[in-house]
Amino acid sequence: ETGVTQSPTHLIKTRGQQVTLRCSSQSGHNTVSWYQQALGQGPQFIFQYYREEENGRGNFPPRFSGLQFPNYSSELNVNALELDDSALYLCASSLKRGGPLADTQYFGPGTRLTVL
Amino acid sequence: GESVGLHLPTLSVQEGDNSIINCAYSNSASDYFIWYKQESGKGPQFIIDIRSNMDKRQGQRVTVLLNKTVKHLSLQIAATQPGDSAVYFCAENPYSGAGSYQLTFGKGTKLSVIP
Repeated sequence: ETGVTQSPTHLIKTRGQQVTLRCSSQSGHNTVSWYQQALGQGPQFIFQYYREEENGRGNFPPRFSGLQFPNYSSELNVNALELDDSALYLCASSLKRGGPLADTQYFGPGTRLTVL
Repeated sequence: GESVGLHLPTLSVQEGDNSIINCAYSNSASDYFIWYKQESGKGPQFIIDIRSNMDKRQGQRVTVLLNKTVKHLSLQIAATQPGDSAVYFCAENPYSGAGSYQLTFGKGTKLSVIP
């Protein structure tokens, strides 16, 4: 177990609704990244949060937004849900030490979102 | 990313044999590579990583090989066990210079271990 937790486990929404997913990072980690994983595909990077600010973003529209809190936990918000948003949403936590070397990302179990 | 639908490359091995899973990465600027194992209904689990200044790294029953010339990564699993059955992803981390470390995942390979 990585110590990264996510809630809820499963969620069903209808098209046009809004959803908030939550992630608690591993103890000692200061960075949270969010990924979307469609069925049968690898995870795709949505964005990363470090020190409560967005620190990089993938190719996702602005209706995907996030927050990071002082305790390093994070939320992913998706507005105006579309059918294609149905996926497993993963968060990964890491410890950013600074410098050019990447830090290992450890994943939570994910939230399965179904949009009807 | 490139869509492969549900048709993941599959590797079937006999229990006790060695497994080799291959991955071609796309970005010559990538300086960090990770192998993850994902079991059904779970998040990716870290297996082993390697930085671009190395060409081989060993862990417990696993070895990662990196060939930067041909942008190829492989994961070797020794004495494969039924519990190794899962989808395996390689991920690369291109250094952006902006301090943002986003992972780009490969297509995944499904490993099935035959008892």
